[in-house]
Amino acid sequence: AAGVIQSPRHLIKEKRETATLKCYPIPRHDTVYWYQQGPGQDPQFLISFYEKMQSDKGSIPDRFSAQQFSDYHSELNMSSLELGDSALYFCASSWGAGTYNEQFFGPGTRLTVL
Amino acid sequence: GENVEQHPSTLSVQEGDSAVIKCTYSDSASNYFPWYKQELGKGPQLIIDIRSNVGEKKDQRIAVTLNKTAKHFSLHITETQPEDSAVYFCAAGGGAGNMLTFGGGTRLMVKP
Repeated sequence: AAGVIQSPRHLIKEKRETATLKCYPIPRHDTVYWYQQGPGQDPQFLISFYEKMQSDKGSIPDRFSAQQFSDYHSELNMSSLELGDSALYFCASSWGAGTYNEQFFGPGTRLTVL
Repeated sequence: GENVEQHPSTLSVQEGDSAVIKCTYSDSASNYFPWYKQELGKGPQLIIDIRSNVGEKKDQRIAVTLNKTAKHFSLHITETQPEDSAVYFCAAGGGAGNMLTFGGGTRLMVKP
């Protein structure tokens, strides 16, 4: 079965650079969620989109922005990168944005900021 | 906002024994409680979930119980196997928006 695809899987950037993470949801899923997981920590919700509109916003820094495109893929844009942005970034997708809609997680993008 | 606490942070059991992981949540409006298993280098995978209108749910060796009054829920794994070794996260959702708030995780080690 098709899963959530994230690219790139690994990314190394310098401080103050920008990064773009991409997420391709499971076919027919219309909702995308972004989470950040620091080393040894639990995933922290950043932002979500339903039918190309932002649906919820969590602890996403102002330096980050995201959008969902017409084909339902999503991109997380990160600017002025800081050392503390080094983390695993997960994208999850679901069919519908209801509370009980199971979120399927992708394999993550490991971002390292030097 | 929602706050989820999870205990213990590490748990070591002998193969065949049972493992119990407990979580508490703060937002009484939360009504969906999934459990995720995360293996090294992979994304979290849903293993079982429970809704607020149910007190217990079982799926083979895995069961989850929910006490809405006390705002806590637990994961029970029976007859543990080495392949159960992973980090387990509880989460709560449905309170404010559809995002999930995760607990801090439990590293389960099953010794053969």
